[in-house]
Amino acid sequence: DIQMTQSPSSLSASVGDRVTITCRASQTISTYLHWYQFKPGKPPQLLVYSASHLQAGVPSRFRGSGSETDFTLTINSLQPEDAATYSCQQTLRSPRTFGRGTKIEIK
Amino acid sequence: QEQLVQSGSELKKPGASVNVSCKASGYTLIDYGVNWVRQAPGEGLEWLGWVNTYSGHPTYAQDFTGRFVFSVDASVSTAYLQIINLKTEDTALYYCARDNTALDLWGQGTLVTVSS
Repeated sequence: DIQMTQSPSSLSASVGDRVTITCRASQTISTYLHWYQFKPGKPPQLLVYSASHLQAGVPSRFRGSGSETDFTLTINSLQPEDAATYSCQQTLRSPRTFGRGTKIEIK
Repeated sequence: QEQLVQSGSELKKPGASVNVSCKASGYTLIDYGVNWVRQAPGEGLEWLGWVNTYSGHPTYAQDFTGRFVFSVDASVSTAYLQIINLKTEDTALYYCARDNTALDLWGQGTLVTVSS
């Protein structure tokens, strides 16, 4: 199985900060990497697909980058509504594994 | 408005079975596959597999063969997850999600609790 190592597991940042989450794949996955946002009581939301493509309707402060094994999700100018857990997922090979998640808290 | 609406929470005893439904609206179910994902308390996300909603053919992750069954009833735009012989470790929030390069549309989740 392809292991997805996500870091950090949690962070606390202030409104307006730039936040970066990383995801590392145990083998090359080209750009078969996607980012999701999870909030309690709400359906999860796709933010970025294929490493760097912003899903329709997602604010432009979210940015994905990377390829092969190393990927990054950046949130520019963090907003209060960005308090959530973020997870990456690879879809190159079955099983389509997820990272363990990064919980973002707003100071 | 496209959405996936899942059935409500379930409380089951070990050894029982449970059915989770996932009804699509706002789009044609058979145009996209449906994935199943779960998150146990304090654990990460696990991908259970996916079902080709056009053919009904399921693909299971290796850890979820045998007791997990995916099915589709296109006439009511609904995908189903059945778990048989439930174990306490199956306690989790179960999601269905539409397969469109990535998982671009998710259900709200169904909490399945297995307890004696």
